[in-house]
Amino acid sequence: EIVMTQTPLSSPVTLGQPASISCRSSQGLVHSDGSTYLSWLQQRPGQPPRLLLYKISNRFSGVPDRFSGSGAGTEFTLKISRVEAEDVGVYYCMQATQFPWTFGQGTKVEIK
Amino acid sequence: EVQLVESGGGLVQPGGSLRLSCVASGFTFSDYWMTWVRQAPGKGLEWVANIKYDGSEKFVVASLKGRFTISRDNAERSLYLQMNSLSVEDTAVYYCARPPHPAVRPSSLCDWGRGTLVDVSS
Repeated sequence: EIVMTQTPLSSPVTLGQPASISCRSSQGLVHSDGSTYLSWLQQRPGQPPRLLLYKISNRFSGVPDRFSGSGAGTEFTLKISRVEAEDVGVYYCMQATQFPWTFGQGTKVEIK
Repeated sequence: EVQLVESGGGLVQPGGSLRLSCVASGFTFSDYWMTWVRQAPGKGLEWVANIKYDGSEKFVVASLKGRFTISRDNAERSLYLQMNSLSVEDTAVYYCARPPHPAVRPSSLCDWGRGTLVDVSS
């Protein structure tokens, strides 16, 4: 099983300032088809998860461009260029390269 | 508009069984892999199972194999999760979810239902 480790687990940020979350996988996430199935999801309080980015950096439909993803191999990063109030929630990285699919522990983003 | 509506959760005693359902609308259900994910109260997300669009391939997390079974009925646009021998550790909100693209190997999960709560307690 691929273990996904996120840091930090909590991120107090100031409105308008950037935020960054790291995700490390215990094994490389490149699939035999050449794709890297690393996604980022946001879960606002009381809501189901919402897909932000898939295959490292592909922004899903309707996701603001202040969200960006980068990385390769076993190290990945989600960046929010300017945090807004609606960005409060828990962020998860997820790998779908290999079964079982696995999630990071989650990073709670809150406003200072 | 894509909609996924789960049902079938509730309070069940340890050792009991439940069958969860997820009814899909707003997309061609028979073209998509489907997934169950669960979330224990106050905890993170845990992938449970996937099923291919035609039902020919199924994957269940190892810790639940033998107790949980995923299935689907494309004619009814429905996804199911049969859960047997339930324990308190199975208490969670169970979500059904859909990947972004049809037919191809699923890359992620873009549409989620609101979930159904399974509470295993005596």
